[in-house]
Amino acid sequence: KNQVEQSPQSLIILEGKNCTLQCNYTVSPFSNLRWYKQDTGRGPVSLTIMTFSENTKSNGRYTATLDADTKQSSLHITASQLSDSASYICVVTNNNAGNMLTFGGGTRLMVKP
Amino acid sequence: ETGVTQTPRHLVMGMTNKKSLKCEQHLGHNAMYWYKQSAKKPLELMFVYNFKEQTENNSVPSRFSPECPNSSHLFLHLHTLQPEDSALYLCASSQEVAQGLNTGELFFGEGSRLTVL
Repeated sequence: KNQVEQSPQSLIILEGKNCTLQCNYTVSPFSNLRWYKQDTGRGPVSLTIMTFSENTKSNGRYTATLDADTKQSSLHITASQLSDSASYICVVTNNNAGNMLTFGGGTRLMVKP
Repeated sequence: ETGVTQTPRHLVMGMTNKKSLKCEQHLGHNAMYWYKQSAKKPLELMFVYNFKEQTENNSVPSRFSPECPNSSHLFLHLHTLQPEDSALYLCASSQEVAQGLNTGELFFGEGSRLTVL
């Protein structure tokens, strides 16, 4: 069964600190993995996409990693800001017929001043 | 502004009411989706439309009825809902629903927060 597990479920950090969010998946065959950011009361917005051959990709203060062997991804946020407070959702695409997306439950991040 | 607009943003309805959610995308995409987002649960895919044709109905109860008159508009008609249907309903679009390798990004609307009394 295709599954995406994210940890922690929630996280509180102080402004300026770094944090790392985890995503483990069992989706097979693997196509790609996306991280979305969902602000409160808004829809999710894509932060980055990781394909099979990519290990690390940065988007500003966000750095995503992918280990296709262990089926793990992480999202590292550097020098957190109050605006980083949001839910972060990991979504894995199945490399199969059709648009098979498996969503993680998300990590809710709160950045406090 | 993601290019996907949903109305209404908030809706409160009784179990015997009939209401509709509307979604419009201004991105020229060919695929549109309805997702349900409940507290502490992953997003659940409800319906997929590709070039106006429904390609997926994810075992959704018949009290939810989608309509896609064209590639830019998507509706979700609601009838005799239950309190457990209260959730955030998200519309999304993508360039297309590709077969096989698909790196397509989903563009979400801001959601319609539904409360069923």
